[in-house]
Amino acid sequence: QKEVEQNSGPLSVPEGAIASLNCTYSDRGSQSFFWYRQYSGKSPELIMFIYSNGDKEDGRFTAQLNKASQYVSLLIRDSQPSDSATYLCAVNGGTSGTYKYIFGTGTRLKVLA
Amino acid sequence: DTEVTQTPKHLVMGMTNKKSLKCEQHMGHRAMYWYKQKAKKPPELMFVYSYEKLSINESVPSRFSPECPNSSLLNLHLHALQPEDSALYLCASSQDAALGLRGADTQYFGPGTRLTVL
Repeated sequence: QKEVEQNSGPLSVPEGAIASLNCTYSDRGSQSFFWYRQYSGKSPELIMFIYSNGDKEDGRFTAQLNKASQYVSLLIRDSQPSDSATYLCAVNGGTSGTYKYIFGTGTRLKVLA
Repeated sequence: DTEVTQTPKHLVMGMTNKKSLKCEQHMGHRAMYWYKQKAKKPPELMFVYSYEKLSINESVPSRFSPECPNSSLLNLHLHALQPEDSALYLCASSQDAALGLRGADTQYFGPGTRLTVL
């Protein structure tokens, strides 16, 4: 079983729609959860981090964390073609310690104009 | 400001060359990281420095040699690399993951160095 799982996609959504990206993790001791966006050939860019159960909103982005079910999701409202990228979920603070992120393999999002 | 800078942007080297990658941050972060990323894969941790001391080495071959001259700088010295070492090399920094403070383990990535080994 992979430690952090993401659907590799591509996830295709029309412009203006809500894109929903999901991530599950296996280490119940995980403390912090991150979403990064990575354009092809570029470095990961932090979108959001979340530590507590519930929702956290930042502009068009909402992160949702459910520790009991061990999943974290990212919603992108009013999706734009510029949101087309790979979205990496990263989990930290479990048995691997506080310095070693466990990354998912990423979900490729395509927003269709 | 959450900027991490890396130089050079691109590097082409032969298998007998010696080269160095450089990373710099001025956010006062005390943890710095080197990652290697191959196409369509997530970043793979190589080294972690905390308070200028090497705290994690993920069994990286000795042809990669990290160095942390001060709290703002991180180098990666390369020697006798193989073609399979060609990848995007990413530097990241965080405030101090061991503090246990929320947000202190958030890693900010630099733009990366695209390395090609011939």
